Amino acid sequence: AQSVTQLDSQVPVFEEAPVELRCNYSSSVSVYLFWYVQYPNQGLQLLLKYLSGSTLVKGINGFEAEFNKSQTSFHLRKPSVHISDTAEYFCAVTLSGGSYIPTFGRGTSLIVHP
Amino acid sequence: KAGVTQTPRYLIKTRGQQVTLSCSPISGHRSVSWYQQTPGQGLQFLFEYFSETQRNKGNFPGRFSGRQFSNSRSEMNVSTLELGDSALYLCASSLERGSAGYTFGSGTRLTVV
Repeated sequence: AQSVTQLDSQVPVFEEAPVELRCNYSSSVSVYLFWYVQYPNQGLQLLLKYLSGSTLVKGINGFEAEFNKSQTSFHLRKPSVHISDTAEYFCAVTLSGGSYIPTFGRGTSLIVHP
Repeated sequence: KAGVTQTPRYLIKTRGQQVTLSCSPISGHRSVSWYQQTPGQGLQFLFEYFSETQRNKGNFPGRFSGRQFSNSRSEMNVSTLELGDSALYLCASSLERGSAGYTFGSGTRLTVV
């Protein structure tokens, strides 16, 4: 079975600074990888996904993520954050050809300070 | 197009009661999944329905059940409510299983007192 580890439970950062949210997964087979964002009192919104091909994936709101197969990582980055990016971010992994049910990480709370 | 609609948004029930939550997926999405979200356990998978059939079930007791109708709308039911069932219940729909990713609803906040 696959597992997902989000290494930081909370990441504080100042506005306009760059940020990286880390995600590592464990799986011996091919996977699909996802990042979701959850704003207070809302459901999760898909930011971006990696299925195959280019390891650098661009998503909405200026976010991007890089798939690193050798390090089994899928870190999320943004070059310059805004106050409005304050939210909970979840990494998820699905086995390609498995049960199709994604496993979610515990989430990283991004806190952007003015 | 309309997103995933969950009703009601908030619910307060007493222990021992039962509750039914509703989810209307995005038009054309045939896959509907349910998750329980709590601060202590994070996102826990409950079940997945595709074309009216339960395809996967998470590790929850039999008090948790669900179904999907021919129009892809889904309901989940929790019987004999316990305090520990207090959580945000999220419904997610998908165009296809696996690679498409989910579109989530805003959830139903269930409080059991």
